[in-house]
Amino acid sequence: DGGITQSPKYLFRKEGQNVTLSCEQNLNHDAMYWYRQDPGQGLRLIYYSQIVNDFQKGDIAEGYSVSREKKESFPLTVTSAQKNPTAFYLCASSIAGQGGHEQYFGPGTRLTVT
Amino acid sequence: DQQVKQNSPSLSVQEGRISILNCDYTNSMFDYFLWYKKYPAEGPTFLISISSIKDKNEDGRFTVFLNKSAKHLSLHIVPSQPGDSAVYFCAANGGATNKLIFGTGTLLAVQP
Repeated sequence: DGGITQSPKYLFRKEGQNVTLSCEQNLNHDAMYWYRQDPGQGLRLIYYSQIVNDFQKGDIAEGYSVSREKKESFPLTVTSAQKNPTAFYLCASSIAGQGGHEQYFGPGTRLTVT
Repeated sequence: DQQVKQNSPSLSVQEGRISILNCDYTNSMFDYFLWYKKYPAEGPTFLISISSIKDKNEDGRFTVFLNKSAKHLSLHIVPSQPGDSAVYFCAANGGATNKLIFGTGTLLAVQP
């Protein structure tokens, strides 16, 4: 089955620790995205990548880092510099290039930092 | 600056009736609009989309209407079913990449 997987579903970390969220897709999509969802704020774009070895900051990139070494993988690291890391994180992928293509989402990772 | 706005945080309708979810946008460069449905603790699933060259797109019980002059789009669900109860996000895209700008969502509750 083609799709996007995110692991783990729930993640707990102590404040001050970096944590990496996994995202894998087997849809053969070139573009991948990371969003976070907070109550009442919809989905906000953290980082996106149009092609392997290239990525761009989204609207709220501060405190986050990504890599795109393989087409199917786009891990997100939440660093200790992120002031409010507790959130629901969503990964998505799509055909790259000019708009008009829907994004397909993974099931999400709920990160709780205490 | 919220470029895509869903001004109704919630909506309640009776089963079998029509649900109308609204979305406004401010950026006239947006040329593609999408609706997503989301259950709690799950990723959004794509529902329906519309290009700015159209004013209506229909898929089964779901119809999206686009009014470019008013910068407004709406999603109609007819007839509404209890399984439609979820948060609905509208999203917009424009430009050289496939970046989406999402609204804040509307929670739809369909009462049996």
